[in-house]
Amino acid sequence: GENVEQHPSTLSVQEGDSAVIKCTYSDSASNYFPWYKQELGKRPQLIIDIRSNVGEKKDQRIAVTLNKTAKHFSLHITETQPEDSAVYFCAADTGTASKLTFGTGTRLQVTL
Amino acid sequence: SAVISQKPSRDICQRGTSLTIQCQVDSQVTMMFWYRQQPGQSLTLIATANQGSEATYESGFVIDKFPISRPNLTFSTLTVSNMSPEDSSIYLCSVEGTGEMTQYFGPGTRLLVL
Repeated sequence: GENVEQHPSTLSVQEGDSAVIKCTYSDSASNYFPWYKQELGKRPQLIIDIRSNVGEKKDQRIAVTLNKTAKHFSLHITETQPEDSAVYFCAADTGTASKLTFGTGTRLQVTL
Repeated sequence: SAVISQKPSRDICQRGTSLTIQCQVDSQVTMMFWYRQQPGQSLTLIATANQGSEATYESGFVIDKFPISRPNLTFSTLTVSNMSPEDSSIYLCSVEGTGEMTQYFGPGTRLLVL
């Protein structure tokens, strides 16, 4: 089955700096890659997603890039703010079913 | 996106008992999923629940321990049976948006087993 690895497990940046989180996946049939943000005690919230026919997608300060050949995708957050502090999860679908496999998560801390 | 609710939001249970968690969606959805999130960990899929068919369980999860019902397109239940302290976790349902691959999560049920 699908295996998703995520790095780093923790990331601390100063406010205004950029943050990058990287994920790799194993199933070449995967074609949908969402990113979720989970604040303490809250449900995971979708922040951005990308499909395999697209190499990059941006939404304001957030961007995701996908390299299908290398089977990795990354989340980029620019001009980080304290409210960006949360745990971020990447995920990949199985290619043949709707279910998602999640990465292990990255705890992002944005310091003043 | 769909509005998803779960009941109960949290519970404290004694070992050996069972708890049924409800997931309600404000619109009809085909695919519903149940996840477990252990403290400080990622999300692990327990099973996929489609209306009118048996749930499909992931490796490591069995129907006797986690029976699931899906009586209609807006509702599902997950039962955690014969609980032990190792079942202490957050249980989340999610639904797939109509015509899209995106999953949206319910608020979760925080379970503590003593």
